[in-house]
Amino acid sequence: AQSVTQLDSHVSVSEGTPVLLRCNYSSSYSPSLFWYVQHPNKGLQLLLKYTSAATLVKGINGFEAEFKKSETSFHLTKPSAHMSDAAEYFCVVSGKTAGNKLTFGGGTRVLVKP
Amino acid sequence: NAGVTQTPKFQVLKTGQSMTLQCAQDMNHNSMYWYRQDPGMGLRLIYYSASEGTTDKGEVPNGYNVSRLNKREFSLRLESAAPSQTSVYFCASSEGDTQYFGPGTRLTVL
Repeated sequence: AQSVTQLDSHVSVSEGTPVLLRCNYSSSYSPSLFWYVQHPNKGLQLLLKYTSAATLVKGINGFEAEFKKSETSFHLTKPSAHMSDAAEYFCVVSGKTAGNKLTFGGGTRVLVKP
Repeated sequence: NAGVTQTPKFQVLKTGQSMTLQCAQDMNHNSMYWYRQDPGMGLRLIYYSASEGTTDKGEVPNGYNVSRLNKREFSLRLESAAPSQTSVYFCASSEGDTQYFGPGTRLTVL
């Protein structure tokens, strides 16, 4: 069985300041981990993916995430928030089972203040 | 290359009515999925199809049926809609474990 917990349902930052979105996971095996972003009334877009090649993963739009096996965490960061980063972010783990089913966290909504 | 497309974008139904949500992908992916999204719950898997000709239940299959019409198309049917099925529905496709999502269908059941 696997699960994902996003530790903050809402995060508010000022434009130009760092963003940290926290994610903890539980999995019986070495997982694939993802971050997706969803802008209002839009579908989900893949930000980045971890597959064990490197613990620090760089994604699109300046985001990166660090995989820490000892802490079972996969936190997402960006050094400087932009107004266009206002969206909902989902941490996701892949089951590596038949059908490669995904398990989603509950989401973190990011508000960026001018 | 349109990726994953879904129709309709919006739909309002009355309790007991039926409808089919359509999904198509042009990436030649083997696997396709249907999810529903409800506030604070992320996305939950309804049904998936690992390959053409196969379908399997996900986490919340009750009240839904699916058809994998061919490699490109995967439809979701509500036979008798209920207010609890008010949600946003997303289709996705994948090759390997990376899934690509459509824009969603916003369904309201009155």
